[in-house]
Amino acid sequence: GQQLNQSPQSMFIQEGEDVSMNCTSSSIFNTWLWYKQEPGEGPVLLIALYKAGELTSNGRLTAQFGITRKDSFLNISASIPSDVGIYFCAGPTNAGGTSYGKLTFGQGTILTVHP
Amino acid sequence: EAQVTQNPRYLITVTGKKLTVTCSQNMNHEYMSWYRQDPGLGLRQIYYSMNVEVTDKGDVPEGYKVSRKEKRNFPLILESPSPNQTSLYFCASSLGGASTDTQYFGPGTRLTVL
Repeated sequence: GQQLNQSPQSMFIQEGEDVSMNCTSSSIFNTWLWYKQEPGEGPVLLIALYKAGELTSNGRLTAQFGITRKDSFLNISASIPSDVGIYFCAGPTNAGGTSYGKLTFGQGTILTVHP
Repeated sequence: EAQVTQNPRYLITVTGKKLTVTCSQNMNHEYMSWYRQDPGLGLRQIYYSMNVEVTDKGDVPEGYKVSRKEKRNFPLILESPSPNQTSLYFCASSLGGASTDTQYFGPGTRLTVL
């Protein structure tokens, strides 16, 4: 099936720093999703992107839908300790990205924030 | 409280002993899905259901079965578990029938197959 590659695999940063991570695919997607998983919990949806070039913010988080439709980016500004967790990108995975059932996740970016 | 519940939360079993992990949601959601999470591999979809009596394979369905006889429940069945099914399992649901709608995840079930 289609694969999503996330980069970097892990990040160790100081509180207050900005964070950038990305997700790439060899296939186009019509929707990009960003989820966060805190330790011991299930993932929670942060941001959904539906249109190429779209830039969407949720508090200190900003995500962008790449114009090629093969990538997406997530930025976190002024990180705080509670940003710790695993960040996953995800997208629908049938032909043309129009499936309504299947969802593929990236491998995740593990974020550690030092106070 | 609106939630997705999974049982059991932890399970240690032996190869070949059939088991069922239950998943239930109280939000009247149409869509339900099962994922497994393994280090370095992220979440991989096992099966999903877009409505009652409608189920379909995800990316890693081998060795698993599901059923959706009623809207709120979506059990995951391992007929003959093997050690490579040792993993952390998540059930999720969403209001609409699409995987791209906001999915609400359960707390996870950690399964060990010896």
